[in-house]
Amino acid sequence: GQNIDQPTEMTATEGAIVQINCTYQTSGFNGLFWYQQHAGEAPTFLSYNVLDGLEEKGRFSSFLSRSKGYSYLLLKELQMKDSASYLCALNDYKLSFGAGTTVTVRA
Amino acid sequence: GAVVSQHPSRVICKSGTSVKIECRSLDFQATTMFWYRQFPKQSLMLMATSNEGSKATYEQGVEKDKFLINHASLTLSTLTVTSAHPEDSSFYICSARDLGDGMNTEAFFGQGTRLTVV
Repeated sequence: GQNIDQPTEMTATEGAIVQINCTYQTSGFNGLFWYQQHAGEAPTFLSYNVLDGLEEKGRFSSFLSRSKGYSYLLLKELQMKDSASYLCALNDYKLSFGAGTTVTVRA
Repeated sequence: GAVVSQHPSRVICKSGTSVKIECRSLDFQATTMFWYRQFPKQSLMLMATSNEGSKATYEQGVEKDKFLINHASLTLSTLTVTSAHPEDSSFYICSARDLGDGMNTEAFFGQGTRLTVV
């Protein structure tokens, strides 16, 4: 089976940096996705890691350590519109989602 | 990115009736489509996986006869909630992937359907 853990909530100030951690346990690893979801909307793709290391895409970066079963999503220069839920998901043909981390950005 | 269209976005139905939700991949062939259910402030719970032309695979605890899934073509999958009850009220989201080139492809999501059963 699979087990995915993320913090439930995080709060940060506009312009700051926030790191969302995701730890997982799985019998077979094929990659890890990060998605952003605003309330009442569908998730949108942010990043995908299949090898160890850092993937950078503008203000968002994602890191993976397969040996530690650990990933994080780094959000830089936070904007109010970044207030959303952030979901990590294991790629196992079907995506298995963590519970999601709700990030609140305050002015 | 690719576009997945889900319809309707909102539906209110009476208890005991059936509701059909459509999920279309508009610009790619979705070999596999997934149906999720999401309760407020909770994550996406996978209900079933469907491959074009074959029967859907349901997750444990999901009633096959209640949630009918059809994936008749590479661009269309439907979820029918039969004999709906108030406890079926939820946010339903479809997702589509083209796994023909391997597993390192992202899943594209529909806009979701807010179902309210009264």
